[in-house]
Amino acid sequence: NAGVTQTPKFQVLKTGQSMTLQCAQDMNHEYMSWYRQDPGMGLRLIHYSVGAGITDQGEVPNGYNVSRSTTEDFPLRLLSAAPSQTSVYFCASSPVATGPYEQYFGPGTRLTVT
Amino acid sequence: AQSVTQLGSHVSVSEGALVLLRCNYSSSVPPYLFWYVQYPNQGLQLLLKYTSAATLVKGINGFEAEFKKSETSFHLTKPSAHMSDAAEYFCAVSELPGTASKLTFGTGTRLQVTL
Repeated sequence: NAGVTQTPKFQVLKTGQSMTLQCAQDMNHEYMSWYRQDPGMGLRLIHYSVGAGITDQGEVPNGYNVSRSTTEDFPLRLLSAAPSQTSVYFCASSPVATGPYEQYFGPGTRLTVT
Repeated sequence: AQSVTQLGSHVSVSEGALVLLRCNYSSSVPPYLFWYVQYPNQGLQLLLKYTSAATLVKGINGFEAEFKKSETSFHLTKPSAHMSDAAEYFCAVSELPGTASKLTFGTGTRLQVTL
C-alpha cells in the first residue's frame, strides 16, 4: 500500500512549456484534490474531484486543468507555464467526498518556472 | 465563506516548555477543524480533528486542541515540547456534510524548539 504518490519530485520548466504532474492513490479513495503551497500563504486548493468523471474548481484554478478517468489517478496539467506557477504542489485523497475524513497527502512536487 | 487565521508565523519554545499554537476560524455553519503537521520536505500529516463530538480533542504525538465556539478558536497545545516537534503546523477548516471535503488552510506556524 503506497498511499498517495506524486511524480516527478522536482521539475524545472521554461515559461510557456506545458507539463503534467502525476498523482495516484491505491486506497480506493473517492475524493482527490490538488493544492499549491507558497511561502506565507499556506495551501490553496486548485482543483478537486469527488469521483471518477467529476471534477470542480477550487480557489486558484486558472492555468491548470484536471481530469479523473479512474478512481486511482488525478493528473494536474499546466497548459502554459508561468513564473507565478513556481510552487510546491501537493495531491491529497480522502475516503469519501463529504464529512470530516482525513486527507492523505503525497510527498509533493517542487516546480520552478523560469 | 470559511477561513482560518493562525496567529504567529513563527513560534520558538525551549525543549520541555509548553507549546501553544493559535488558530481562529470563521465559518457560516458548524465547522470541522483540523490540525496538520508538515516536516521538512514532506507532505502534510493529520495531527487531530474536531468533528462536533468532544470539544477537547487528543491527537498524535501528545498534541491536543480545544474547540471553543464562543471564541471561534481551536488552539493546539502540547505540555512539553520535544526537539522532534520542530515542523510547520497548519490549521484547516471544512464545512459540514453536504459539501465536498474541501479544506481551507491557514498560512501556517513554524515551530522551532531550542535546547
